[in-house]
Amino acid sequence: DTGVSQDPRHKITKRGQNVTFRCDPISEHNRLYWYRQTLGQGPEFLTYFQNEAQLEKSRLLSDRFSAERPKGSFSTLEIQRTEQGDSAMYLCASSSSRTGIADTQYFGPGTRLTVL
Amino acid sequence: AQSVAQPEDQVNVAEGNPLTVKCTYSVSGNPYLFWYVQYPNRGLQFLLKYITGDNLVKGSYGFEAEFNKSQTSFHLKKPSALVSDSALYFCAVRASGYSTLTFGKGTMLLVSP
Repeated sequence: DTGVSQDPRHKITKRGQNVTFRCDPISEHNRLYWYRQTLGQGPEFLTYFQNEAQLEKSRLLSDRFSAERPKGSFSTLEIQRTEQGDSAMYLCASSSSRTGIADTQYFGPGTRLTVL
Repeated sequence: AQSVAQPEDQVNVAEGNPLTVKCTYSVSGNPYLFWYVQYPNRGLQFLLKYITGDNLVKGSYGFEAEFNKSQTSFHLKKPSALVSDSALYFCAVRASGYSTLTFGKGTMLLVSP
C-alpha cells in the first residue's frame, strides 16, 4: 500500500477565500478521518466517514467547513470564507473496520494552511 | 467524554539511557490506547496500541508501553534511546464503541549524543 496522501501539502490564502483539500486513503480502507492540528497541540477530530457516509462531525466543525467522500474513496475538505484562525495543519487518516476492534488509523503528511 | 494528559512538554535523555514518556487518560468504559510519533513537517506515524490482554505492548523501533488500569496510565518506554528517536510523541485514547481518537498535547523527546 502507498499510504495516505494529501494534496496540496501547503496552501497560503487570503482571508475570505475558499480552499479545498484532498485526501486519498490507503486503498481498501473504508474509514476516513479529518483532524486539525495547531502549533503546540495534538490533533483534534473534525469529521469521520465510513464508506461514503459522514457518520460524525465535531462541534469544532463550523458551518464554513464541509467534507465529502462521494464514492467512498477519496475525500475533500472545503473551508469557505477562510479566517486567520483557520491556519493549521489539516491531517487525514484512514483505517479499515475489517481489521477488527480498535482499528489503527494511519495518517497522511497533512496540508498546512496559512491564512493571511 | 474522553481525555488524555501528557504531563511533560519535553523529556531529555542521553543516548543509550532508558526513556519514559508519560501518559494518563480518562474514558468511560474500556480504553483503546495508542502512541504516535511525529517528525518535523510530517504526519503522525503509528508506534503501538493496547486493546486488551497483556499489559506490556511492544511496537515499532524498539518502543513498548505499559498499560496500568488502576493508575489509568499508558507510559511509553524504550530501554536504550537513540538520537534518531528525537521527535514529538502523542498519546491517544479511544473508547470502545467509538471511532474517533482523542490526543494529548504531545511530548517532545530530545535525545542527546
